[in-house]
Amino acid sequence: GDSVTQMEGPVTLSEEACLTINCTYTATGYPSLFWYVQYPGEGLQLLLKATKADDKGSNKGFEATYRKETTSFHLEKGSVQVSDSAVYFCALSGGAEQGAQKLVFGQGTRLTINP
Amino acid sequence: DTGVSQDPRHKITKRGQNVTFRCDPISEHNRLYWYRQTLGQGPEFLTYFQNEAQLEKSRLLSDRFSAERPKGSFSTLEIQRTEQGDSAMYLCASTRLASHNEQFFGPGTRLTVL
Repeated sequence: GDSVTQMEGPVTLSEEACLTINCTYTATGYPSLFWYVQYPGEGLQLLLKATKADDKGSNKGFEATYRKETTSFHLEKGSVQVSDSAVYFCALSGGAEQGAQKLVFGQGTRLTINP
Repeated sequence: DTGVSQDPRHKITKRGQNVTFRCDPISEHNRLYWYRQTLGQGPEFLTYFQNEAQLEKSRLLSDRFSAERPKGSFSTLEIQRTEQGDSAMYLCASTRLASHNEQFFGPGTRLTVL
């Protein structure tokens, strides 16, 4: 079935460092891909999305490119801030198999940014 | 847009008791989803509705779980005869048709079964 594999955490960086969180997926058909973020004590928020191959999603300085050839959707940011500390989830939806309407999530990557 | 709301935010119950959670989606959203999230894991799909019709249920949803969306607006998730393994965060999300399934999540209901 459809699945998402994320880079294991936790990840700890200093402020202004570059960030990459790896995400690869397995799906039949042409899924939509998402990054969600969960700040401490808050609910899941959509960070960015891409709905077809080679699309780039971006928001709040974060970017991710839908790479069908490598089945990847890595999250990147050039200069992280303390306020980016959160748990990040990669997810997909809309693969061809039955049940395509649900979101399938990775296990999450906890990111801590130190000042 | 008032967002997805869930009630209660926290629930502590004793094993064997029944609990019911409520979700109010964003008003124009046709689809409503329930997920369960345990500590250190990503959310796992439980079930979803399109308007009032329940279109899919996960194998995770045992016979003790039931969900309804009687008028195609709010939804309830009931767990009968709770077990300690039911302790988790229960998340509700909603979306519009033709939105590439961009789901908006509520704050969740944290269930603790003693």
